[in-house]
Amino acid sequence: DAGITQSPRHKVTETGTPVTLRCHQTENHRYMYWYRQDPGHGLRLIHYSYGVKDTDKGEVSDGYSVSRSKTEDFLLTLESATSSQTSVYFCAISASLAGGWAYEQYFGPGTRLTVT
Amino acid sequence: AQKITQTQPGMFVQEKEAVTLDCTYDTSDPSYGLFWYKQPSSGEMIFLIYQGSYDQQNATEGRYSLNFQKARKSANLVISASQLGDSAMYFCAMREGPSNTGKLIFGQGTTLQVKP
Repeated sequence: DAGITQSPRHKVTETGTPVTLRCHQTENHRYMYWYRQDPGHGLRLIHYSYGVKDTDKGEVSDGYSVSRSKTEDFLLTLESATSSQTSVYFCAISASLAGGWAYEQYFGPGTRLTVT
Repeated sequence: AQKITQTQPGMFVQEKEAVTLDCTYDTSDPSYGLFWYKQPSSGEMIFLIYQGSYDQQNATEGRYSLNFQKARKSANLVISASQLGDSAMYFCAMREGPSNTGKLIFGQGTTLQVKP
């Protein structure tokens, strides 16, 4: 168990409103990621973090910002939500839990966001 | 150019039979990793198996094995003795560069249905 939770799990919001999604982990993992999943696509990387206050952009970062002020929390903010941001959002951590030397990625349960 | 290709949108398999899900990838980085994830209808992303580019042997994890053909740039997932609970969407993903910082690139997924 990678100890990842996401909140809220479901949210409906209106176009133009700000939205913040939270990813919380309990195992002190350094690397954290935000992905979005849309029909017809696999998951696509939005932003990622290599540590506290150390973040960078992914493939689909436009319209999103992130913050990481504590190791355990990685926040994703939609400053002004649009209908194109209706999606399922997954947080992930990078950890070596399978017993080998390599790092795998483990995902949180996801947040379903609907922008009306 | 698409870096991860899953050419089978949907597949059927009879319970207790083996099934192969195809994945091809494209990278010029000598250091990379290949992942398979399962996404049941409940929506969570479940890590199944990992293969590193320098690993000499094909990865195995219980009923899952990864048929890694480096020269052909393929990383097919083999599920032996299929069970009804294997019905799900399966995603192949690739990480380029260092293991611990890995950002994943996903294929579009294959839906597997196991028939009783």
